[in-house]
Amino acid sequence: GEDVEQSLFLSVREGDSSVINCTYTDSSSTYLYWYKQEPGAGLQLLTYIFSNMDMKQDQRLTVLLNKKDKHLSLRIADTQTGDSAIYFCAETPPGYSSASKIIFGSGTRLSIRP
Amino acid sequence: DTGVSQDPRHKITKRGQNVTFRCDPISEHNRLYWYRQTLGQGPEFLTYFQNEAQLEKSRLLSDRFSAERPKGSFSTLEIQRTEQGDSAMYLCASSAVAGGNEQFFGPGTRLTVL
Repeated sequence: GEDVEQSLFLSVREGDSSVINCTYTDSSSTYLYWYKQEPGAGLQLLTYIFSNMDMKQDQRLTVLLNKKDKHLSLRIADTQTGDSAIYFCAETPPGYSSASKIIFGSGTRLSIRP
Repeated sequence: DTGVSQDPRHKITKRGQNVTFRCDPISEHNRLYWYRQTLGQGPEFLTYFQNEAQLEKSRLLSDRFSAERPKGSFSTLEIQRTEQGDSAMYLCASSAVAGGNEQFFGPGTRLTVL
């Protein structure tokens, strides 16, 4: 089936690392994504990973994929106040190309405390 | 190019009325998507087009909903006989098929049905 799950809230101290976790149910999913949504702004793609990879790093962002456990995580190093947003985990279900249907999780609201 | 634009940004209507939303994708993006997002949830896929062809419709899209992309550029989403349950943010996104792992999202149209 098509289902992506994530915890609803995460609070971290400024300067610490944030780790947002996600589980998905379809192990055949091809692409997995992390999107960011700030208040009043559109969804922004942060990064994506293809299912044959287990890690991807892009500046402060590190994505880890455990395909066996169907677990995806996003680590944000040196979290800043500007990182406050809702983060959505998403997948392209099997049978679809990368630029097509995307299934989103419910989002994790990241808040930063001083 | 200024990105994906949607019009109107906000719409308040009475139950039973028809509403129409417009989406202008990024120039030369041949895929266009509609999603619906309710409070506290991630976007839910509704439908997508490649050029003027509607390739998939979600079962969430009841027969009161219709989407068109007549010339393969802008798209409209019409909701007939609106119900209170239709209140949501309607998001449009576009992508290029070639090398297109990213869907670029517009700011959304917030619909309130009274």
